[in-house]
Order: sequence, then C-alpha cells, then structure tokens
Amino acid sequence: DAKTTQPPSMDCAEGRAANLPCNHSTISGNEYVYWYRQIHSQGPQYIIHGLKNNETNEMASLIITEDRKSSTLILPHATLRDTAVYYCIVRSANFGNEKLTFGTGTRLTIIP
Amino acid sequence: EAGVAQSPRYKIIEKRQSVAFWCNPISGHATLYWYQQILGQGPKLLIQFQNNGVVDDSQLPKDRFSAERLKGVDSTLKIQPAKLEDSAVYLCASRGRTSGSLSTDTQYFGPGTRLTVL
Repeated sequence: DAKTTQPPSMDCAEGRAANLPCNHSTISGNEYVYWYRQIHSQGPQYIIHGLKNNETNEMASLIITEDRKSSTLILPHATLRDTAVYYCIVRSANFGNEKLTFGTGTRLTIIP
Repeated sequence: EAGVAQSPRYKIIEKRQSVAFWCNPISGHATLYWYQQILGQGPKLLIQFQNNGVVDDSQLPKDRFSAERLKGVDSTLKIQPAKLEDSAVYLCASRGRTSGSLSTDTQYFGPGTRLTVL
C-alpha cells in the first residue's frame, strides 16, 4: 500500500470546520483513500472513503485533489466528541487485497 | 445492526502466563481480522480469516500467538506464554459493505481488549 503523511496533531475550535490534510503522493490508480478515527478507548471507526471524486456522508466530507496526491477530511461543525486520532489510509481496490495499513494518524483536539 | 463484540475488555496477567481473547463479528461477515495496537501507534494486523480459513498470518508471532475460527463465526486469539512487550490493545474487526454511492467493503472494529503484562 502507498504511504500517507499526516500532521501529528491539530486543534480546532468547537463549532468550526475541522480540516485534516493527508498526503499520498505515491497513490496508484486503483487505490482508495480511506479515513478512520479512533476515539479514546474505542476501536477505529470508519468515516468515509473515496477514489477520484469528492464524497460526503452524514459524518464528513472528503476532498481529493485532481492529481489524487493529497486529500482533506472535513468535519463541518466540530464538536467535543470529535476529539480523536484520525487515520488516512490508502487501500487497494482489488478484490482480495483489502488490507488496511495504519500509520500514526493526526490527533485532533476540539477546543471548547 | 449489532457491532463487533469482544471480551474481556481488560486483562492483567504476569509474564509467562497464558491469555485468550474472544471476538464475535458482525452477523454475515465472512472476513475477520485481529490487530495489535501498542500505545501511541496505529493498529497492526496480526491475522486475517476468510470463514474458518487463514488468509494472512505473516505478522503473527507464531511461537507464542495462535488464533482460530473453527465454525467460521466467533474467533479466539491466544498468547502463551505472554511477554512484557505483548502489553497492547487487541482489536478484532470484520469486513462488510459500506453504504452510499461508492459502496465497497471495509472493516468494522470492536472495542478491543486492553492487555497488561506485568
């Protein structure tokens, strides 16, 4: 799997949009970008994933650059419950090769 | 839909003792994973099952770790004998479909078992 680079930590004020960047400059054409988060003492939680186009669901939006070398996860109105470690993962789209390789992620702290 | 269940949530043992963890995946999920997460690091895959067969155990320390999924549903992970460096959270995940227009398979995680080896 391609490697990803994320800042180790970020702060965001409660109620503001949290924008978490991720670089994946060696991503290949058949690899998805996945985002998970891990709240303290819980298992990782799936947030969203994308291939080429921007994606939005009830939790977040994912913006992928046209060259696919970087992406941004957006939490539109951050709450204290969004404090967590956020992992950006590049994963093969090939069936049978769905392995997730986690890095150290970004520790997001929401400030009241 | 019920999530992935794991037990116990916490376990404290002394080195050289044995320990076992249990996992019940989401109903209908054929693929099950065990991960080890050391403090301050991301989860690391130990073993992957497809039904009751092992797909990938390349990262499993087979001299002390074993895992089974006999009936293709529940799974147990065992450590015998435990070492100090085995202190970690052990996560179980199962794979199923996401919702939405770009639906694909992804992994859903349980809460984990925190193991402390003294």
